[in-house]
Parts: sequence; C-alpha cells; structure tokens
Amino acid sequence: QQQVKQSPQSLIVQKGGISIINCAYENTAFDYFPWYQQFPGKGPALLIAIRPDVSEKKEGRFTISFNKSAKQFSLHIMDSQPGDSATYFCAASRTDSSYKLIFGSGTRLLVRP
Amino acid sequence: GAGVSQSPRYKVTKRGQDVALRCDPISGHVSLYWYRQALGQGPEFLTYFNYEAQQDKSGLPNDRFSAERPEGSISTLTIQRTEQRDSAMYRCASSFRVNTEAFFGQGTRLTVV
Repeated sequence: QQQVKQSPQSLIVQKGGISIINCAYENTAFDYFPWYQQFPGKGPALLIAIRPDVSEKKEGRFTISFNKSAKQFSLHIMDSQPGDSATYFCAASRTDSSYKLIFGSGTRLLVRP
Repeated sequence: GAGVSQSPRYKVTKRGQDVALRCDPISGHVSLYWYRQALGQGPEFLTYFNYEAQQDKSGLPNDRFSAERPEGSISTLTIQRTEQRDSAMYRCASSFRVNTEAFFGQGTRLTVV
C-alpha cells in the first residue's frame, strides 16, 4: 500500500521559473514531512522539512506548503537553476515511533538554461 | 568518518549465494536505518536500530533478510540465497538520535545474476 503519492513523475522548467512538486499522504498519524534531493550516484540529502503545526516553511528559494485537512504538501522551488536538476523525494514519518521514512516515488526535475 | 560509509559500492552475485552488505554510520550516531531503493523509486524502509537493538524490522521482505549491529556502530545487512528480485540499491542512513535528521550513504548496488 503506497502511503505517500508524489506527482509529477518528471518536470521540466526553464531557468528562473518556479518548480512545484506535490505529495499526498494517507496516514493521519504522520507528523514529520521532509523533502530529499538526490543527485545521480549520491544518496538522498535532506533539503527542507515541515511539521503539521505550521502551514508553510521557507528556506532560501525552497518553500514547503502544507495542507493538513487535505493531507497534502508541496515543494516550491523559486528562481529554479540548472544546479537544481535532480530527483526530489517527499517523505513522511511518525515521530512517536521509529522515525522510519515513507518515501514518495520521486520527481525528476530538469531545469533548462 | 565524515559521512555514512557503505561497502561494497557494487556487488554482483550469483543467484543462490549469500551476501553481506556493510554500513559504517557517522561517528556518534545512535540510530541506524536500512532502506532499499529500486531504480526510479523512492527508498523503501527495511529495518531500524537504536544502538545495538533492532527496534523495527517490519520492512524486511522475508526471512532471507537479516540485519545486525552487535556493538551499536557498524551494521551488516545479510541476504541469504539471493534471488534476482533482490537486485536493487541498498542504502543505509544514520541519525544522531531517533528524532533527528537522517543522513544517507551512497549505497550498495546489488545485482543478482
């Protein structure tokens, strides 16, 4: 059973544009929602994370928007750069247990110069 | 070490053989996780250790898979009687404690022929 659904599967954006990746979850017990960035040949690296007590978190060009009632959250990359080209994974976990991460299927982002 | 170290980076084995994958977490990190990542998919949780104790093994696919962390540092994931469907990237992650950021290693690419 897939507990975190991610879309789109791939995304092409022009340099300077906004990249938007969406995720939806099923388990209302999830209370930690990170986004990971993965470059080819590397392991996933934490980009930004949010907890459900806030609706938005911004770090530089990266923003997470969180809608608890809809059980959805999204990553916005402002002023997208070619160096942002990577695969992005959303994830969710329960902090009252093992913190094991349930990942989405990933979005391959290509930012054209 | 500076990051999570996994060895070997690549492993090709014949069907039916046993394999052992090693993870050396970041020094001082008490929590250690094993994930499996199929091509084009997000990492899938396998098992979790807190110090030397295996706290959650709910993601291990079957009894051919086992993991240990006898001294609370290095961990070994063992797959017995490998099958072609076991071919994947196996990733280890560690965190300072259970409710902090998890850092991923570069993974071991296992190919069963």
